[in-house]
Amino acid sequence: EPEVTQTPSHQVTQMGQEVILRCVPISNHLYFYWYRQILGQKVEFLVSFYNNEISEKSEIFDDQFSVERPDGSNFTLKIRSTKLEDSAMYFCASSVGHGVYEQYFGPGTRLTVT
Amino acid sequence: GIQVEQSPPDLILQEGANSTLRCNFSDSVNNLQWFHQNPWGQLINLFYIPSGTKQNGRLSATTVATERYSLLYISSSQTTDSGVYFCAVRDYGQNFVFGPGTRLSVLP
Repeated sequence: EPEVTQTPSHQVTQMGQEVILRCVPISNHLYFYWYRQILGQKVEFLVSFYNNEISEKSEIFDDQFSVERPDGSNFTLKIRSTKLEDSAMYFCASSVGHGVYEQYFGPGTRLTVT
Repeated sequence: GIQVEQSPPDLILQEGANSTLRCNFSDSVNNLQWFHQNPWGQLINLFYIPSGTKQNGRLSATTVATERYSLLYISSSQTTDSGVYFCAVRDYGQNFVFGPGTRLSVLP
């Protein structure tokens, strides 16, 4: 069964450094998403992406964040200058369509900012 | 925006017991999914169930959209069922909103 994959599974970085989290969505999916979960809290929506542009973003997704689909398979989340409070699990998801369609989640990347 | 509540917040079971987890939401939804977050933090898709009933092995789920709730049933629980169970909903035009989760501990 096709699945969403994410790399790395765990990333440790120093405050102020840039990080790129990578995701490979399911191949025939058209909509891509990033979510964040701070330890012990609920999962929060960050951004959705379709047709090579952001379709929706939350208040969390400020100028420090950017997303890109650099080629036909990868979907990336970049954090320009990490802060301690960026430490969290980051989940990528993809779906065939928007709205009613099931979203398939990747296993997550645990980001630790020291 | 839409509000999602889950109950109970914590649940401790003996292996072999059955349980029911509940998800209430404040508005009409066009998408509802249940997830299991394992102890390693991975989110596992359990059910896509905006309405109706589905079963997958020892797990089943029912969503009554008109009454704005969904139930997840776990039968004959095993220690590997431990973790946090989230429901997530989306209403018309918004992205997923996750509930706070139910933390399940299954004791041997």
